[in-house]
Amino acid sequence: QSALTQPPSASGSPGQSVTISCTGTSSDVGGYNFVSWYQQHPGKAPKLMIYEVNKRPSGVPDRFSGSKSGNTASLTVSGLQAEDEADYYCSSYAGINNLGVFGGGTKLTVL
Amino acid sequence: EVQLVESGGGLVQPGGSLRLSCAASGFTFSSYAMNWVRQVPGKGLEWVSAISGSGGSTYYADSAKGRFTISRDNSKNTLYLQVKSLRAEDTAVYFCAKDSANWLRGTLDYWGQGTLVTVSS
Repeated sequence: QSALTQPPSASGSPGQSVTISCTGTSSDVGGYNFVSWYQQHPGKAPKLMIYEVNKRPSGVPDRFSGSKSGNTASLTVSGLQAEDEADYYCSSYAGINNLGVFGGGTKLTVL
Repeated sequence: EVQLVESGGGLVQPGGSLRLSCAASGFTFSSYAMNWVRQVPGKGLEWVSAISGSGGSTYYADSAKGRFTISRDNSKNTLYLQVKSLRAEDTAVYFCAKDSANWLRGTLDYWGQGTLVTVSS
């Protein structure tokens, strides 16, 4: 399985919105509604922010939202805050008997 | 509260072996698939291996096939990763992560803090 494609970096000012894309294929992102997004601060473990394309785990602010169109999923962070500065990774289910696949990660900078 | 605590990492020579462990608590361990994900320092995440809740199904990345073995002891609430024939490129932080289902759905809802494996002579 090839990694999903994410932009290496994204940025926005406090209060603004930023969207990070995640492009796969019909064998992963486009084929299933099991896309997740993880936030990782330096030296910390990843944290699940979005699952099943657009669902938020308990405790995740509603400033984080997810969507999907075709083979591309997106994570939108609205009302950017300083603590949102982190690396973000998407992942997708890739079918029975296959491990999932991650994107290469996007470093989000809050200007 | 769900907790995942990895151990067993360290410095090992090329060609050497290690057994990583992940002690789980706060949930019914046997009801969930478990995963190992690694991260080379400063790089992205790589799915290494996964195992179903019963342990009957296992999955490996191409980079791990034939060298890594995932297993679990549901009576001890512990996940393992036996790694052998280690190479410099296996140097990474190894995270264990809980899946949200008994099968490999790929939604990793809880992660451990990671254990560092360094392969060097």
